[in-house]
Amino acid sequence: AQSVTQLDSQVPVFEEAPVELRCNYSSSVSVYLFWYVQYPNQGLQLLLKYLSGSTLVKGINGFEAEFNKSQTSFHLRKPSVHISDTAEYFCAVKAQKLVFGQGTRLTINP
Amino acid sequence: DAGVTQSPTHLIKTRGQQVTLRCSPKSGHDTVSWYQQALGQGPQFIFQYYEEEERQRGNFPDRFSGHQFPNYSSELNVNALLLGDSALYLCASSLEGLASDTQYFGPGTRLTVL
Repeated sequence: AQSVTQLDSQVPVFEEAPVELRCNYSSSVSVYLFWYVQYPNQGLQLLLKYLSGSTLVKGINGFEAEFNKSQTSFHLRKPSVHISDTAEYFCAVKAQKLVFGQGTRLTINP
Repeated sequence: DAGVTQSPTHLIKTRGQQVTLRCSPKSGHDTVSWYQQALGQGPQFIFQYYEEEERQRGNFPDRFSGHQFPNYSSELNVNALLLGDSALYLCASSLEGLASDTQYFGPGTRLTVL
């Protein structure tokens, strides 16, 4: 079975500051890794995914994530956040089915 | 190109009632998955349909059932509603054949059970 732990339930940052949202996973088999974003009262939108190859993955809206197999982590980063990045972010792993973490609420302060 | 659509947007039911939620997949997709997202939680996998059959199921009771139609659209049915069934129900579609294929999500149906 797979599991995902998002280490921070809430992350407040100032506008234009960098941010890192942490994600660790557990699995006995190889998995694919995803980050989704959920804006208020909306469904989930894919930010980026790691399937294979380069461990640094670039996504939409300036986000990127790095897959670290030895640490079983897939942390999400953005060098400079904007007010519009305020949302809930979900890390997910997939072997047979998609398993989500509990989410991290990113709040951007002006 | 229409994305994943779901109906209705919101729904209010009382305990013991039954509910049906509907989903139309993204154009070209043939696989539909359903998720339950309780307030403040991540989505939980309910089940997945492919070729009109349930292919995988999460840890949900038999009160949760589904159906997939020949045009790939899908329904989620929940019987004997409980207060704890109040949640956002998300539908996601993907293309069979690729385990790595991305699931695209609809906007969800907000179910409130009173």
